Amino acid sequence: SYELTQPPSVSVSPGQTARITCSGDALPKTFACWYQQKSGQAPVLVIYEDSKRPSGIPERFSGSSSGTTATLTISGAQVEDEADYYCYSTDSSSNPIGVFGTGTKVTVL
Amino acid sequence: EVQLVQSGAEVKKPGESLKISCKGSGYSFMMYWIGWVRQMPGKGLEWMGIIYPGDSDTRYSPSFQGQVTISADKSINTAYLQWTSLKASDTAIYYCASGLRPFESGALGYWGQGTLVTVSS
Repeated sequence: SYELTQPPSVSVSPGQTARITCSGDALPKTFACWYQQKSGQAPVLVIYEDSKRPSGIPERFSGSSSGTTATLTISGAQVEDEADYYCYSTDSSSNPIGVFGTGTKVTVL
Repeated sequence: EVQLVQSGAEVKKPGESLKISCKGSGYSFMMYWIGWVRQMPGKGLEWMGIIYPGDSDTRYSPSFQGQVTISADKSINTAYLQWTSLKASDTAIYYCASGLRPFESGALGYWGQGTLVTVSS
């Protein structure tokens, strides 16, 4: 089955930039989304269609995708950005079967 | 305002059946795909399947095909996730989430609060 691979953890100092990668063979043909999940809460969409930001999401969150890797960047990370982050995509552009990445714990300290 | 409100926590015994619900409001429910996501204790998100309430077109992850049934009743803006015979390994939080745009099965933009299902003898 299709898999999306993320690093288990990323650490960043407040005000610095955090980058989280997501690797998947189908990413050149499909979109990537990113979700933030804080402890005990439901996930929140922070990036969709590789680089679009839903309303209400701070500008410090940005996304990009190149080849088989999608990247979520948090520019000027804040303490409140500490959370688990998951990428999401489908295994083909014509098939709505979704898959989440393995998840990355972002620590801001 | 788009809202997805899920049914309350459940405690069940192995072998029992269960149906949990997700009621949408604030948007045209039948026009947006609804997905279900599992999160086992201390683990990551797992995509289970998705349904289009307008015509009940349903797709399942291979990992969950045959293990659960996803359905929807567009007349009452509600989607369901059901099991016929629960196992201890079904213990998890289950989230429903709707598509971000009508007709599109891509990004899941709006999420319910989650339903905790505990299966224990």
